[in-house]
Amino acid sequence: LAKTTQPISMDSYEGQEVNITCSHNNIATNDYITWYQQFPSQGPRFIIQGYKTKVTNEVASLFIPADRKSSTLSLPRVSLSDTAVYYCLVGRGSQGNLIFGKGTKLSVKP
Amino acid sequence: GAGVSQTPSNKVTEKGKYVELRCDPISGHTALYWYRQSLGQGPEFLIYFQGTGAADDSGLPNDRFFAVRPEGSVSTLKIQRTERGDSAVYLCASSSGTDNTYGYTFGSGTRLTVV
Repeated sequence: LAKTTQPISMDSYEGQEVNITCSHNNIATNDYITWYQQFPSQGPRFIIQGYKTKVTNEVASLFIPADRKSSTLSLPRVSLSDTAVYYCLVGRGSQGNLIFGKGTKLSVKP
Repeated sequence: GAGVSQTPSNKVTEKGKYVELRCDPISGHTALYWYRQSLGQGPEFLIYFQGTGAADDSGLPNDRFFAVRPEGSVSTLKIQRTERGDSAVYLCASSSGTDNTYGYTFGSGTRLTVV
């Protein structure tokens, strides 16, 4: 299973756009890229998933370059409630286990 | 149910005791996963069920850990002769197993403390 690398922590202010980049140099052809969000004392929550190019939903956008060796999660206009740990994972979507790294701890300040 | 339910939410046990942790997945989800999470770390994979059978149990740390899903819905994670190092949050997740759109749905976890 492909390993991911992402920053340990990031700081931002309310109203800013936040971009978290993840590298996954060994991604396999069948792998999807998935991002989860986790608040303290809760399980991770699915944010967005993509295979290539750009995916957008009501929460975030996911940008994936043509070589798929990295991806960027974009959170528009963050608020204090976006303070959480964000995990980037690669794998076969909803089939098989997903390997979590340590994630990126995002702190949003007023 | 509407979400993944885990019981109990907290469990304190003495070293050497046996514990069972329960997971009720989303109705109709065929895939079920157990993870455990230590403070400051990401969730660590333990075992994955597809239906009633364990499709991948490579994450179970040793033979003190065992999980079952006899009817393909509720699952129980069993830990024998608990050790202080087993203290962690045990997370359960479920998915449809075929639809990649929504990923996994996690429960809130069971916080196990071995004293």
